[in-house]
Amino acid sequence: ETGVTQTPRHLVMGMTNKKSLKCEQHLGHNAMYWYKQSAKKPLELMFVYSLEERVENNSVPSRFSPECPNSSHLFLHLHTLQPEDSALYLCASSRGTVGYGYTFGSGTRLTVV
Amino acid sequence: GENVEQHPSTLSVQEGDSAVIKCTYSDSASNYFPWYKQELGKRPQLIIDIRSNVGEKKDQRIAVTLNKTAKHFSLHITETQPEDSAVYFCAASNVDNAGNMLTFGGGTRLMVKP
Repeated sequence: ETGVTQTPRHLVMGMTNKKSLKCEQHLGHNAMYWYKQSAKKPLELMFVYSLEERVENNSVPSRFSPECPNSSHLFLHLHTLQPEDSALYLCASSRGTVGYGYTFGSGTRLTVV
Repeated sequence: GENVEQHPSTLSVQEGDSAVIKCTYSDSASNYFPWYKQELGKRPQLIIDIRSNVGEKKDQRIAVTLNKTAKHFSLHITETQPEDSAVYFCAASNVDNAGNMLTFGGGTRLMVKP
């Protein structure tokens, strides 16, 4: 266990469903990230939170909505997704300063049907 | 913003040979360069990193070199083993980067043939 836990590991949802992905870290990090991993774009940054404030929204469609209630938890709320949103969604955490690597979670494999 | 290019996209070597993966970056302010290894079905894991005040760093069979003038850095794996087979990602970030955002390269799939 690396200290970054993502749930669920697998998720199948219809295009009209609403679901949420959860990420939790116990490393004392103060920055958290959502990445989308697909065959087309191996590691595509979606959202960055530093000290619970969003510092980057990388032109992500509004059907993805992040939430960071505290420095240990990060959510990605999903609604009205499209089949092309099927991918592996990775959460990561780090110290918020440059010069430190990320610790990734195991990811949520999302399939939109 | 930063742009990181990674080559080659796939690399096949014979067990025991060396493997080299190269990355170039665009932002001269970048000063931190980590490398991640992602085995099939697993999470990316940090394997080595280098900061801009150092030209080379080694850890057993892996080494990273950095050329700030040319804005490129490379991962070197010696005496490759089948368990080195994975996708490798390089990344870069810079001192003005709030939230320590990393820009990743496109990845290199390394296959080590026994």
